[in-house]
Amino acid sequence: GAGVSQSPSNKVTEKGKDVELRCDPISGHTALYWYRQSLGQGLEFLIYFQGNSAPDKSGLPSDRFSAERTGGSVSTLTIQRTQQEDSAVYLCASSFQGYGYTFGSGTRLTVV
Amino acid sequence: KQEVTQIPAALSVPEGENLVLNCSFTDSAIYNLQWFRQDPGKGLTSLLLIQSSQREQTSGRLNASLDKSSGRSTLYIAASQPGDSATYLCAAHNLDAQGGKLIFGQGTELSVKP
Repeated sequence: GAGVSQSPSNKVTEKGKDVELRCDPISGHTALYWYRQSLGQGLEFLIYFQGNSAPDKSGLPSDRFSAERTGGSVSTLTIQRTQQEDSAVYLCASSFQGYGYTFGSGTRLTVV
Repeated sequence: KQEVTQIPAALSVPEGENLVLNCSFTDSAIYNLQWFRQDPGKGLTSLLLIQSSQREQTSGRLNASLDKSSGRSTLYIAASQPGDSATYLCAAHNLDAQGGKLIFGQGTELSVKP
């Protein structure tokens, strides 16, 4: 596609529920990244995928967070048993071998 | 571990002024450094990318410089306009065995007054 697409754009969920956030990267981009931006904060790295290598999960804040990338393209970030502190904007980006990143518009997650 | 710091956290200037935003990073072995703009409630828009072998990049009224030895980058905005009001983020990319990732600063919130 022409850009990085994320869905949904907004998600309101009840505390304790699971949520799935989707990212569709630019076609041909080998790397895909997930970041989180809490209110008034900078971007916090969560996880990234590069080609067929094992993902770098070093930024995931807890074992409630997981992500997968199917077929080297679409990625899903799953948050289990959501907590209020999970409320944030979740941003996805893709790049071709780390050269220049293109970000999606993000998913605004609100846990009530 | 790479750490990125941006100063100032917020800046307010009158329209027409030239201004400089600062970014410092602790690990000079960067692959590239990228400046982004973020409007309220929006995603990130890439402004300039400087490769580690380059010293500066220019796009219109924007000029970004890179000094790896001192661990610093600056974003210069000439003749600022109210439409430049946004948060500006710098991010350093260090390579690792898997390719690496961007580490972001906290951003500088710029307000240009008419």
